[in-house]
Amino acid sequence: SQTIHQWPATLVQPVGSPLSLECTVEGTSNPNLYWYRQAAGRGLQLLFYSVGIGQISSEVPQNLSASRPQDRQFILSSKKLLLSDSGFYLCAWARDRTTDTQYFGPGTRLTVL
Amino acid sequence: GENVEQHPSTLSVQEGDSAVIKCTYSDSASNYFPWYKQELGKGPQLIIDIRSNVGEKKDQRIAVTLNKTAKHFSLHITETQPEDSAVYFCAARAYTGNQFYFGTGTSLTVIP
Repeated sequence: SQTIHQWPATLVQPVGSPLSLECTVEGTSNPNLYWYRQAAGRGLQLLFYSVGIGQISSEVPQNLSASRPQDRQFILSSKKLLLSDSGFYLCAWARDRTTDTQYFGPGTRLTVL
Repeated sequence: GENVEQHPSTLSVQEGDSAVIKCTYSDSASNYFPWYKQELGKGPQLIIDIRSNVGEKKDQRIAVTLNKTAKHFSLHITETQPEDSAVYFCAARAYTGNQFYFGTGTSLTVIP
């Protein structure tokens, strides 16, 4: 069976500090990978998605970046965090077939102070 | 691109009553429609899905209906229980297969 991991689970960072969130998927190969952000009480905002190693599509221009150094690893980064970067960050994976679902990780709660 | 609208944004029902959440989509090429339940502080979990070649699907107390002509799909929860209280999201998968477009969510409260 497939499993998706995210860490850390919670993070408190000062404004201007760097960020690195990691997501890994087990039990599948060549998945599509996604990063979403969810503000408190709000919907899901797609930040990045990747269809393969080194292939990143950005949906929202901002001070965040994503990388996919390995097939089942997806990293979200920032060089300098802003207060507005606070939120709940969700990683997800899906098979590259148009009728398969997307599975979410447990999320990372980021608070920027 | 695809646009998914979801209503209502909040819904309160008495325990044992039914709850219905409705979504519309804009791209007739979308062919996969999942529903997710998100509990506080957790990632969304798939509860039911439907593909465009099916009009209705049921799993115990949960059912989803799809009207391709009208481009809308609905989630039906019968005999609601307090543990059904959560935020529910609908989604549509783009025909390219890479992106999922989500509704804005419905906060369901089941009153004991």
